[in-house]
Amino acid sequence: DVKVTQSSRYLVKRTGEKVFLECVQDMDHENMFWYRQDPGLGLRLIYFSYDVKMKEKGDIPEGYSVSREKKERFSLILESASTNQTSMYLCASSLTGLRGTYNEQFFGPGTRLTVL
Amino acid sequence: SQQGEEDPQALSIQEGENATMNCSYKTSINNLQWYRQNSGRGLVHLILIRSNEREKHSGRLRVTLDTSKKSSSLLITASRAADTASYFCATGGFKTIFGAGTRLFVKA
Repeated sequence: DVKVTQSSRYLVKRTGEKVFLECVQDMDHENMFWYRQDPGLGLRLIYFSYDVKMKEKGDIPEGYSVSREKKERFSLILESASTNQTSMYLCASSLTGLRGTYNEQFFGPGTRLTVL
Repeated sequence: SQQGEEDPQALSIQEGENATMNCSYKTSINNLQWYRQNSGRGLVHLILIRSNEREKHSGRLRVTLDTSKKSSSLLITASRAADTASYFCATGGFKTIFGAGTRLFVKA
C-alpha cells in the first residue's frame, strides 16, 4: 500500500513565522502535490512537482514556496505566515500515466494549520 | 478555477438506500476519479474511469461517464452509516482538478 505521511496533524503558529510542512511518500512516485482545503472551496492546488528539484505553480502559489531535494520528500514553506493561511493542508503523490497524464493520487492525513 | 462541479452539495439518506452524486466538468479529460474524505482526514481514492469507458463497478460503487455531456455519476448502493463522508470528483489529464464535493450523511 502507498503511504503518504505528513509531519504534523495539527500545527499552531504566529503571524510572521516561517512554517515548514513536510510530506514523505514511500512508493517511488514521480509526482507530488500540495493542496489547501477550505470550507466551500474544495481542494486548491498550491504547487506540484513532477521530479526531484522540479516544481510548478498551481492555482494559488502566492505566499508559499516548495522544495523537493529527494524523490520521496516534498516540503511546503510559508515564508511569513499570515492568518489567511489558516487551513487544512493536504499532500498527495501519484505516478505519471500514459502520455504524461495524471492518474489517481494518494493523500496524506492532512495538517490543520492555525495561524494566530 | 474548479472544473469538477458536484451535485448535490449535500445529501441525507437512510441506511440501505442508494445515494447518487453527479459531477460535471468543462474540458476534455483523460480520466475521471472519485475520492472519499472522512471528516478531518485525507482523501481516499475510490475509483478511476477512463475517457473511453462508460461504466465501472467496484463493490457497492458504480460510476458512469458521459463524455458527450461532460458528466459523471457515482452511485453507492445499499448505503451504510460508515459511508457518511464527503465525495469528490477529480478530472485527470495533464492537470487534476477537484470539485468542491458532495457531503453525504447516512442515517442509521
